[in-house]
Amino acid sequence: GEDVEQSLFLSVREGDSSVINCTYTDSSSTYLYWYKQEPGAGLQLLTYIFSNMDMKQDQRLTVLLNKNDKHLSLRIADTQTGDSAIYFCAESIASNTGKLIFGQGTTLQVKP
Amino acid sequence: DTEVTQTPKHLVMGMTNKKSLKCEQHMGHRAMYWYKQKAKKPPELMFVYSYEKLSINESVPSRFSPECPNSSLLNLHLHALQPEDSALYLCASSQDSGGDEKLFFGSGTQLSVL
Repeated sequence: GEDVEQSLFLSVREGDSSVINCTYTDSSSTYLYWYKQEPGAGLQLLTYIFSNMDMKQDQRLTVLLNKNDKHLSLRIADTQTGDSAIYFCAESIASNTGKLIFGQGTTLQVKP
Repeated sequence: DTEVTQTPKHLVMGMTNKKSLKCEQHMGHRAMYWYKQKAKKPPELMFVYSYEKLSINESVPSRFSPECPNSSLLNLHLHALQPEDSALYLCASSQDSGGDEKLFFGSGTQLSVL
């Protein structure tokens, strides 16, 4: 079945780069997503990548996709304290149902 | 307007109460979703509505009853809930439910069942 895995915790210093990793199992996924959740809030779509791309950059965010390894990463450049949150990767499954499979979420802690 | 609005933000209810959660979007999206999220866990899909018709029910107990009165509104009716149903309930919407599911989430309703 479909499965998405992430490491649970990452701690970085303000100004450093953060790299959050994700692996997925469904090779037929069309889109892969990164969502951010701050305490007490809903999920905010940060960025996404189509499965035929290997990189996407959006300001401080860089998404890398290795389809052979089914590995997705999110790099945040110049990490700020406001980036502290839980980051979920998610894949869309191929049956066009509207269903996303989420990873367990990575808690990013940014130290001043 | 890129917002999904959920009310109420917080809800405390007893196991014999009946309550409803409400969700509204004005982005012209034709798919709407209910997710349940326990603390420190990923969201779990409950229901998907596509073009105002229920397209997915993830084997959710009947004490949760969704309703989509029109393309902008989604309700979740709650009756005879259990304490283990306490969670954050998230509504989301997307353009449609076919292949490119960029979901926009509301801030959620934090539900406590006593």
